[in-house]
Amino acid sequence: AQSVTQLGSHVSVSEGALVLLRCNYSSSVPPYLFWYVQYPNQGLQLLLKYTTGATLVKGINGFEAEFKKSETSFHLTKPSAHMSDAAEYFCAVDQGGKLIFGQGTELSVKP
Amino acid sequence: DTGVSQDPRHKITKRGQNVTFRCDPISEHNRLYWYRQTLGQGPEFLTYFQNEAQLEKSRLLSDRFSAERPKGSFSTLEIQRTEQGDSAMYLCASSPRVKEQETQYFGPGTRLLVL
Repeated sequence: AQSVTQLGSHVSVSEGALVLLRCNYSSSVPPYLFWYVQYPNQGLQLLLKYTTGATLVKGINGFEAEFKKSETSFHLTKPSAHMSDAAEYFCAVDQGGKLIFGQGTELSVKP
Repeated sequence: DTGVSQDPRHKITKRGQNVTFRCDPISEHNRLYWYRQTLGQGPEFLTYFQNEAQLEKSRLLSDRFSAERPKGSFSTLEIQRTEQGDSAMYLCASSPRVKEQETQYFGPGTRLLVL
């Protein structure tokens, strides 16, 4: 069975600083990986996904993630944080059509 | 594309009561998923449909839970004899599932509180 681990349940950065949210996965087959964002009292919105091909994936709102098979990682980054980035972020792996999510990382952005 | 919609957005009920939630997927999406999210956790898969057929159910889905998608369009999730442990956000998602790794589009969720 596949699984996802997000290191750090809470990350705090200053506005304009680099954002790095960590995700490691466990999968016996080539994984399909996703990052979703959730704002308070809302559903999940797709930021980006990795399927095949280029290992550096660009998403919405300036986010990107790099698939590293050797490290079984899919970390999410953004060069410069904005106040509007404050939200909960979830990494997920596709397991036969259903998504297996990590526990989430809450991102706080300080002015 | 009006997105995935869910109704109601919030539901407060007393323990032992039955509740039913509705999900309307994006039109022409043939896959529909239900997830449950408790506070501070990531969503957990409950069940999914391919058109009207329910293809998989999680062991999280006890006998008190039932889901239907009678005409392959909207879906309902019913919880009978609710318990306080059922308090959670119930999320619905849909996808076209033409091929692997299709994106799942999520609705805003129904937040259930069982008193």
